[in-house]
Amino acid sequence: DAKTTQPNSMESNEEEPVHLPCNHSTISGTDYIHWYRQLPSQGPEYVIHGLTSNVNNRMASLAIAEDRKSSTLILHRATLRDAAVYYCIKGSGGGADGLTFGKGTHLIIQP
Amino acid sequence: GAGVSQSPSNKVTEKGKDVELRCDPISGHTALYWYRQSLGQGLEFLIYFQGNSAPDKSGLPSDRFSAERTGGSVSTLTIQRTQQEDSAVYLCASSLQTGVSYGYTFGSGTRLTVV
Repeated sequence: DAKTTQPNSMESNEEEPVHLPCNHSTISGTDYIHWYRQLPSQGPEYVIHGLTSNVNNRMASLAIAEDRKSSTLILHRATLRDAAVYYCIKGSGGGADGLTFGKGTHLIIQP
Repeated sequence: GAGVSQSPSNKVTEKGKDVELRCDPISGHTALYWYRQSLGQGLEFLIYFQGNSAPDKSGLPSDRFSAERTGGSVSTLTIQRTQQEDSAVYLCASSLQTGVSYGYTFGSGTRLTVV
């Protein structure tokens, strides 16, 4: 069940903004969009999540399309420490099961 | 506690032995999740708890795997008669409640190596 589609990898330069795209065309009205990242040899780290409106926190911003079929995670000013695998997850609103992680996007930051 | 704590951080065991992996969630988090991640692979969901109850155990890979949670806090994942294919990083996460409106906090994991 391919719930989200992300590019396998992306490259960006340090101190520049990064826009990580995610498609979730089968999203339903109660499904949340979650983003996590995983640095090498560490457990996943929560980044942000949202339902309909754009969301901002100290780590990133989440821009959700009006039809909710896609979203973009925005890192406003990338640092080398942001190099990680970023997972976009569609959390089904109807269930309590754990979130299903896909393969994510491997973000490479060039100095 | 301040974060999700897992122990041990590393475990090497002989094939056929039993192992217990422990997860101490954030205080007050009623939902707890177990995942495993094999080398170079994505996260595989195993089981979740709402309080002490695990409503769905179908994600456990085999009947050698079991999990329990007591007092709505600490959880233990037990693997009996370990096999080499059980080698992986076992990750635990907790959230305020089950449901997708809450974010997860993950622990650093237990790296299990079966030799």
